[in-house]
Amino acid sequence: ETGVTQSPTHLIKTRGQQVTLRCSSQSGHNTVSWYQQALGQGPQFIFQYYREEENGRGNFPPRFSGLQFPNYSSELNVNALELDDSALYLCRAGDEQYFGPGTRLTVT
Amino acid sequence: QKEVEQDPGPLSVPEGAIVSLNCTYSNSAFQYFMWYRQYSRKGPELLMYTYSSGNKEDGRFTAQVDKSSKYISLFIRDSQPSDSATYLCAMSVEEQAGTALIFGKGTTLSVSS
Repeated sequence: ETGVTQSPTHLIKTRGQQVTLRCSSQSGHNTVSWYQQALGQGPQFIFQYYREEENGRGNFPPRFSGLQFPNYSSELNVNALELDDSALYLCRAGDEQYFGPGTRLTVT
Repeated sequence: QKEVEQDPGPLSVPEGAIVSLNCTYSNSAFQYFMWYRQYSRKGPELLMYTYSSGNKEDGRFTAQVDKSSKYISLFIRDSQPSDSATYLCAMSVEEQAGTALIFGKGTTLSVSS
């Protein structure tokens, strides 16, 4: 049990729609990072937030955005969904090397 | 060339076998190395975390790092059917919170009873 929770567990969206994924941890962490794991691939770093500011970003377009809240929970927002956005989205909180269980997004 | 290379397998072994999983990397700045186990449709679970070159042992698992060759390995002794999963290597330049982890593609392991 990593103490990192994500919601929803899975969801299905249509191309062009927008989606919001959520992450929270049992103990507060200044830093949260998000990863995308496509089927058959390793996780790819999307971005990280430190004290509510984005301070690192991988090779993802601006339609991937995020928020971190004062209670250290976090959101990942994806606009204008594309079929290739179908993946498992993982959240990692704080300096732990642990991930949450992920949200599986399917874009049709 | 990708920063981290990992043979995706699949790798099939009988119960009790010794399993060797490997990754190579190109960025000499990587200092921290991890192995994750991922069951189907679940998040990655941290197995081993190492910093320096050499071996680190934890139960049936041994992680090995050779920085001069840019090569890391995970050995599983007395493999069990419950070890059937995808194994991901990951590495980072720094240890500090939130440092991006760079992953291999993962190796799918199947252990038959």
